[in-house]
Amino acid sequence: SQTIHQWPATLVQPVGSPLSLECTVEGTSNPNLYWYRQAAGRGLQLLFYSVGIGQISSEVPQNLSASRPQDRQFILSSKKLLLSDSGFYLCAWSSGGTSGRLQYFGPGTRLTVT
Amino acid sequence: AQSVSQHNHHVILSEAASLELGCNYSYGGTVNLFWYVQYPGQHLQLLLKYFSGDPLVKGIKGFEAEFIKSKFSFNLRKPSVQWSDTAEYFCAVNPPSGGYQKVTFGTGTKLQVIP
Repeated sequence: SQTIHQWPATLVQPVGSPLSLECTVEGTSNPNLYWYRQAAGRGLQLLFYSVGIGQISSEVPQNLSASRPQDRQFILSSKKLLLSDSGFYLCAWSSGGTSGRLQYFGPGTRLTVT
Repeated sequence: AQSVSQHNHHVILSEAASLELGCNYSYGGTVNLFWYVQYPGQHLQLLLKYFSGDPLVKGIKGFEAEFIKSKFSFNLRKPSVQWSDTAEYFCAVNPPSGGYQKVTFGTGTKLQVIP
């Protein structure tokens, strides 16, 4: 069966510090991968998605970037965090093609920027 | 802007009460529709989905949703809620022009069921 991991689970970082959040998927190959941010009262906002190694699509202009160095690894990064980057970050995966409509979510990372 | 709207942000019900959570979207054309649920301390998970066919969709734990194309709605219902239904519920839409990767989520509804 497929599983998705995210770490760390919680993170407190000062403004201006760098960020690296990691997501890995097991039990599937060539998944579509996604990063979402969940902010209070704003639902889930799609930040990035990837359909393959090195292929990243950005949905909103922002202070963050994503990379996919391996097939089942997706990394969310920032060079300098802003207060507005605080939130709950969710990684998700889906199969390719029409099956990609169903997304499976990881446990999330709670980021607090102070 | 095209979007997904959940008008109820916080709903409080007593056990055995009936539930209906509203969801409206503004995309034209064929859409795929979802309800996801996030129980306290758990992953966001799929509750039910609509791709095509019967507009009344049944999901897990006694939930159902009805797709009404003329109203651009996909409301979630349950005839009798339980304390264990306390969770946050998200409506989501895969719009026709975005490709299968793009799913737009509503802002969520927090449901609190009082024993």
